[in-house]
Amino acid sequence: DGGITQSPKYLFRKEGQNVTLSCEQNLNHDAMYWYRQDPGQGLRLIYYSQIVNDFQKGDIAEGYSVSREKKESFPLTVTSAQKNPTAFYLCASSMFNQETQYFGPGTRLLVL
Amino acid sequence: GENVEQHPSTLSVQEGDSAVIKCTYSDSASNYFPWYKQELGKGPQLIIDIRSNVGEKKDQRIAVTLNKTAKHFSLHITETQPEDSAVYFCAANGDSGYALNFGKGTSLLVTP
Repeated sequence: DGGITQSPKYLFRKEGQNVTLSCEQNLNHDAMYWYRQDPGQGLRLIYYSQIVNDFQKGDIAEGYSVSREKKESFPLTVTSAQKNPTAFYLCASSMFNQETQYFGPGTRLLVL
Repeated sequence: GENVEQHPSTLSVQEGDSAVIKCTYSDSASNYFPWYKQELGKGPQLIIDIRSNVGEKKDQRIAVTLNKTAKHFSLHITETQPEDSAVYFCAANGDSGYALNFGKGTSLLVTP
């Protein structure tokens, strides 16, 4: 079964804690993306990566970090610097030089 | 950067009626315009997309139209069914080429 998997489905963060959201794809896509979704809002781009070992900041990168060591994986770390982390986080991927993006099922992050 | 506006924010139609959702964009360099459907608690699913060299595209009950001069594009759903109820997002790629800028979404409710 090809697709994008995100884990966990729900994640709880304590104050001052860093947490990492997983995103894995077996579509052989080169590009991967992280979006944040708040209630009643569209999706806002956090980071994206067109190729391994390279990534760019999106519109709301502050308080987040990423790595892209493998083509199939693009983990997102929500750091303690992100003061309002409660949101639905979506990972997407696309083929190289293609605009069409496919999304994973999302991770909902809640603050304790 | 690209700014995408979407209207209406909520739309209620009776089963069998048509639904139209409209989006405008600001960046004349945008050339790719996808539409996504998102069900509650799930990731967005691509339902149709259009590129700037095409004015209209259809897929069964769904159609998208694009007016590049006016910088707006619309989603048309005919013969709506209760399972069409969801949040619909439009997007445009802007001058980055591959990162998408999303509208804030339209919550469509189809009542039997």
